[in-house]
Amino acid sequence: EPEVTQTPSHQVTQMGQEVILRCVPISNHLYFYWYRQILGQKVEFLVSFYNNEISEKSEIFDDQFSVERPDGSNFTLKIRSTKLEDSAMYFCASSGPRSQVTSPLHFGNGTRLTVT
Amino acid sequence: TQLLEQSPQFLSIQEGENLTVYCNSSSVFSSLQWYRQEPGEGPVLLVTVVTGGEVKKLKRLTFQFGDARKDSSLHITAAQPGDTGLYLCAASNNAGNMLTFGGGTRLMVKP
Repeated sequence: EPEVTQTPSHQVTQMGQEVILRCVPISNHLYFYWYRQILGQKVEFLVSFYNNEISEKSEIFDDQFSVERPDGSNFTLKIRSTKLEDSAMYFCASSGPRSQVTSPLHFGNGTRLTVT
Repeated sequence: TQLLEQSPQFLSIQEGENLTVYCNSSSVFSSLQWYRQEPGEGPVLLVTVVTGGEVKKLKRLTFQFGDARKDSSLHITAAQPGDTGLYLCAASNNAGNMLTFGGGTRLMVKP
């Protein structure tokens, strides 16, 4: 079964550094998402992306965050200047050609970002 | 901000017992999903419910969406150790793509 793959599985970075988290969504999916989960807390929505633009974003997704689909397969999340509170598990997800009501989200296994 | 509250947060039972976990909100949702998450992995979708009062079954798991589309339950019959995991509910209140997640119920089934 096709799956969403994320790299790296664990990223350690120093505060103030830029990080890029990478995701390869399922190939025929059209909607792409980033969620994050701070240790011990709820999974939180960051951003959704469709047709090469952001379709929705949460309050968490401020100017320090950006997303890009640089080619036909990768979907990236960039954090420009990391803060300690950005430490979390970041999940990429994708869904098929219809709305998520009828097309389920498929999550990757996440990238654990540790900011020191 | 819509909130989804799950209860109980933790549940430890013996193999063969039945259990129900709940997902409640004061908001109306267009759809609600249940996920299961294993350590070190992303959430895996179990079911989506859309219609108020809808009941869906997945083997020993029964999912119900409340009539008012504000709450949902997951009932497991004759739990097995393989059911151990974190069960998450998540909901959307529009046709868009933003899911609000509950805090999860961590289930442990002892052999």
